[in-house]
Amino acid sequence: KAGVTQTPRYLIKTRGQQVTLSCSPISGHRSVSWYQQTPGQGLQFLFEYFSETQRNKGNFPGRFSGRQFSNSRSEMNVSTLELGDSALYLCASSLNSGNQPQHFGDGTRLSIL
Amino acid sequence: QKEVEQNSGPLSVPEGAIASLNCTYSDRGSQSFFWYRQYSGKSPELIMFIYSNGDKEDGRFTAQLNKASQYVSLLIRDSQPSDSATYLCAVNKKPFGGGSNYKLTFGKGTLLTVNP
Repeated sequence: KAGVTQTPRYLIKTRGQQVTLSCSPISGHRSVSWYQQTPGQGLQFLFEYFSETQRNKGNFPGRFSGRQFSNSRSEMNVSTLELGDSALYLCASSLNSGNQPQHFGDGTRLSIL
Repeated sequence: QKEVEQNSGPLSVPEGAIASLNCTYSDRGSQSFFWYRQYSGKSPELIMFIYSNGDKEDGRFTAQLNKASQYVSLLIRDSQPSDSATYLCAVNKKPFGGGSNYKLTFGKGTLLTVNP
């Protein structure tokens, strides 16, 4: 069974640009969550999508947004990039929203110059 | 008080020993508890989850949960050099007022080094 697939694996952008990251969950998983990981802050929750609806949101500015498609694939968008957005962005999927274990993809390493 | 706290380490144990990793959480409404292993440069990998008080064993790994003390631990028996990694504790909290939008909160992780 294929795991969670994230694309691209690496991305280099400059300040002010925008970026879109993609996540394909494990087959049959309907919930997708996004996290930002940095050395200083650790893993921080961005948002969760289930059945194309955002179920929960972390404490990030509105520049961070996402969506989920009918096939459960999800995208995350960051607009007006700042240097502090440099991080590893991780997507995790679970069978359903709620108490289920989440399984992570390999992540997208985003570097802002 | 941080929502999920772990000793950052490093925790160093000799090969073959038992490694004990600890985690405390602040919200008594927390319902499920997860341990992830993260190798340097890699993404977190789920190794254990526990929902009820007591112990849960899977191979060399045992998760222990004590909700009264708001404490969850991970024991690794017969530690191997390949166990050297950062171990992340994650806690899932049911939203206030019900619903299904749980929020998974991570600790900052404990770096474990197993010396040959």
